[in-house]
Amino acid sequence: DADVTQTPRNRITKTGKRIMLECSQTKGHDRMYWYRQDPGLGLRLIYYSFDVKDINKGEISDGYSVSRQAQAKFSLSLESAIPNQTALYFCATSSQTVQETQYFGPGTRLLVL
Amino acid sequence: SQKIEQNSEALNIQEGKTATLTCNYTNYSPAYLQWYRQDPGRGPVFLLLIRENEKEKRKERLKVTFDTTLKQSLFHITASQPADSATYLCALPSAAGNKLTFGGGTRVLVKP
Repeated sequence: DADVTQTPRNRITKTGKRIMLECSQTKGHDRMYWYRQDPGLGLRLIYYSFDVKDINKGEISDGYSVSRQAQAKFSLSLESAIPNQTALYFCATSSQTVQETQYFGPGTRLLVL
Repeated sequence: SQKIEQNSEALNIQEGKTATLTCNYTNYSPAYLQWYRQDPGRGPVFLLLIRENEKEKRKERLKVTFDTTLKQSLFHITASQPADSATYLCALPSAAGNKLTFGGGTRVLVKP
């Protein structure tokens, strides 16, 4: 079984809709991250969380919100989706003790019409 | 924040040759630098980490160098194989060390 899972894997939605992307991990890591990836722009950090009570904004948090429901679960919400949020979204985890290495989920491909 | 530059042009290389990728950064010198591999439609996978006091690191057919004077890391794939075809990303920690900044990646295509 995959250590970091994301649901859904693909999603098509319409402008203005609220959607949630979910991430779960079985690695026992305390740190979790949400990135988006656009062609030619690489991975950009949206939000990150170092434990259940810790939430931090990344470089592109506008239009997004997150919830850390448990150590193993970290959800990303688009409050009112817009077409330029069409992208590939990745969740990642890392350990406090070996924080350098990040482990990524398989990604969610989101299309906003 | 750190600015990272990787060659955005794809690197086409013949099987058996050595592929060399470049990662340049512009601001502070990081405590370490990482390289990841990403296959189409999949999440990045960690390959190697090199620290600022290390000149070179090897893992099987992979070799990474780190020159803090030039603010550059080189990533080499020796005896390349078609299975090495992927996009390779470099990543550096923030000054506070609590998050990573990724380069845009370089796509490698190894032709048989």
